[in-house]
Amino acid sequence: AQKITQTQPGMFVQEKEAVTLDCTYDTSDPSYGLFWYKQPSSGEMIFLIYQGSYDQQNATEGRYSLNFQKARKSANLVISASQLGDSAMYFCAIRGLQGAQKLVFGQGTRLTINP
Amino acid sequence: DAGITQSPRHKVTETGTPVTLRCHQTENHRYMYWYRQDPGHGLRLIHYSYGVKDTDKGEVSDGYSVSRSKTEDFLLTLESATSSQTSVYFCAISEPAGHLKGTDTQYFGPGTRLTVL
Repeated sequence: AQKITQTQPGMFVQEKEAVTLDCTYDTSDPSYGLFWYKQPSSGEMIFLIYQGSYDQQNATEGRYSLNFQKARKSANLVISASQLGDSAMYFCAIRGLQGAQKLVFGQGTRLTINP
Repeated sequence: DAGITQSPRHKVTETGTPVTLRCHQTENHRYMYWYRQDPGHGLRLIHYSYGVKDTDKGEVSDGYSVSRSKTEDFLLTLESATSSQTSVYFCAISEPAGHLKGTDTQYFGPGTRLTVL
């Protein structure tokens, strides 16, 4: 079984500041993948970044980076130099790397960027 | 753009009526998924498919059935809709890791907002 916990229901950040969104996970799979998705008010789910449990380095994609601490079972998303367009719901998700690759999502964090 | 469309995008129906939602993809992906999104629950998996006529249940499959007669189409059916099935439904696709660049990822369709009165 897999579980994702996102403990921050909402966050408010000033524009241009960096922000960290927390994600902790639990899994019995020896190999797994961790994902972050963004859901703006328009409703679509946008893939941001992926981290494999076997990856030695933290994943980065532009202004997004994943602070992966395997021993602590955490996979926090870091957004550098936040922009007004970053205001959205953010979901952390996990899946095993065998079989059907089903995603298990956390409840999400609503991020609001203030000008 | 993963070439995923969902139809209808919005639907209002009455309790007890059958409803079918369609997910269509244009890039021959093997795996397809149906999720529902409700406040306080994030996204939860309903059913998934790993090939034509190959489907399996997810976390919240009660009251739902699926069919996949062609690679490109994955249908979700509510045999007799209930108010608890009011939700936003997302279809997703993925490919097993190692086949193509970036295929460790699930990409989502635009969603269908279903209201059951």
